Amino acid sequence: DAGVTQSPTHLIKTRGQQVTLRCSPKSGHDTVSWYQQALGQGPQFIFQYYEEEERQRGNFPDRFSGHQFPNYSSELNVNALLLGDSALYLCASTPAGTGGSGELFFGEGSRLTVL
Amino acid sequence: QKEVEQDPGPLSVPEGAIVSLNCTYSNSAFQYFMWYRQYSRKGPELLMYTYSSGNKEDGRFTAQVDKSSKYISLFIRDSQPSDSATYLCAMEMVGGSEKLVFGKGTKLTVNP
Repeated sequence: DAGVTQSPTHLIKTRGQQVTLRCSPKSGHDTVSWYQQALGQGPQFIFQYYEEEERQRGNFPDRFSGHQFPNYSSELNVNALLLGDSALYLCASTPAGTGGSGELFFGEGSRLTVL
Repeated sequence: QKEVEQDPGPLSVPEGAIVSLNCTYSNSAFQYFMWYRQYSRKGPELLMYTYSSGNKEDGRFTAQVDKSSKYISLFIRDSQPSDSATYLCAMEMVGGSEKLVFGKGTKLTVNP
């Protein structure tokens, strides 16, 4: 049973560019959350998708947007990249019907470097 | 003041030692408390999950929550080199729908 899978694992972009990160949740999971983890910091909540809608959002600017597809996979898009966007971007999924339990299953992340 | 404070360490102990990791928090609305382990270049994995105050034990790991002091702890008994990782505390409000607030993480090294 595959866990949460993310792609790409590493990527390098320059300031002002745009990036798309992808996530496939664990089988049987329907909710996808995205977190940003800067070096030496804990993950910070970006937003969450459920039933193809953004259900809640953290304190991130509109440059960060996302999407969830009917098969529950998700994308994170970041426009007009800044140096400070360099981080590990983590996708996490939750089993259907366990809302609020904190049972997040994380992928291994996409490491973004902005030059 | 940050919502969740965690000493980043690093913490280095000999194999077999008892390890104590701690977090404090300021938001009294937090009701769910978690500990995640993150190996280098990997995603976090859930170790312990507790609801409200009390203790929970799972093998060599014990999680404690003291809501009156806004303080949570993770104890690791008989620590092993394989426990070397960064340990992240995380918290969630009731109805928070997996919107977790994490501490910075404590980097632990267990020396053989």
